[in-house]
Amino acid sequence: GNSVTQMEGPVTLSEEAFLTINCTYTATGYPSLFWYVQYPGEGLQLLLKATKADDKGSNKGFEATYRKETTSFHLEKGSVQVSDSAVYFCALSWANQAGTALIFGKGTTLSVSS
Amino acid sequence: EPEVTQTPSHQVTQMGQEVILRCVPISNHLYFYWYRQILGQKVEFLVSFYNNEISEKSEIFDDQFSVERPDGSNFTLKIRSTKLEDSAMYFCASSRTSGYNEQFFGPGTRLTVL
Repeated sequence: GNSVTQMEGPVTLSEEAFLTINCTYTATGYPSLFWYVQYPGEGLQLLLKATKADDKGSNKGFEATYRKETTSFHLEKGSVQVSDSAVYFCALSWANQAGTALIFGKGTTLSVSS
Repeated sequence: EPEVTQTPSHQVTQMGQEVILRCVPISNHLYFYWYRQILGQKVEFLVSFYNNEISEKSEIFDDQFSVERPDGSNFTLKIRSTKLEDSAMYFCASSRTSGYNEQFFGPGTRLTVL
């Protein structure tokens, strides 16, 4: 079946460190891929997306590239800030079909200290 | 900026009781969703709803669950007879129907079944 696997957390970094959160997926067809972020006490917010192979999604300094050959969508940021502390969820869906479920990974908690 | 709201933020109930979780989706959105996250586990899709009927549901969404849009703004999830294993964070989401499946999430309701 379709699934998303994320690296286990928590990830603890110092401010300005480089961040990578790994995400791989199993899916039939060619899904769209998403990263959602959840700040404490808030709902999930879309961080970035990619809808086809080799697309790069980017937002707020975060990037992820849709790699079909490795079925991966790793999240990266060159220099993290304390304000990036949150839970990050990788997800897939078929974005050309409104109303279709998002399939999430388990989430990775990022904690950034100054 | 428009947002999805959910009430209550925390609900405590006794096993076997009925609960209704409420959501107000973004006003021009047409697709509505419920997800849940049991502590420490993945965010799981429950159901999607469009044009006053269920468009997709997961295996979790059994006869104990129902959804309704009782008026033009609210979207509710009812659990008829709660079990201990229903304890989770429940997220509501909504999306527009334009072939683009970005879903906007509410902050969640934490349901505790005793």
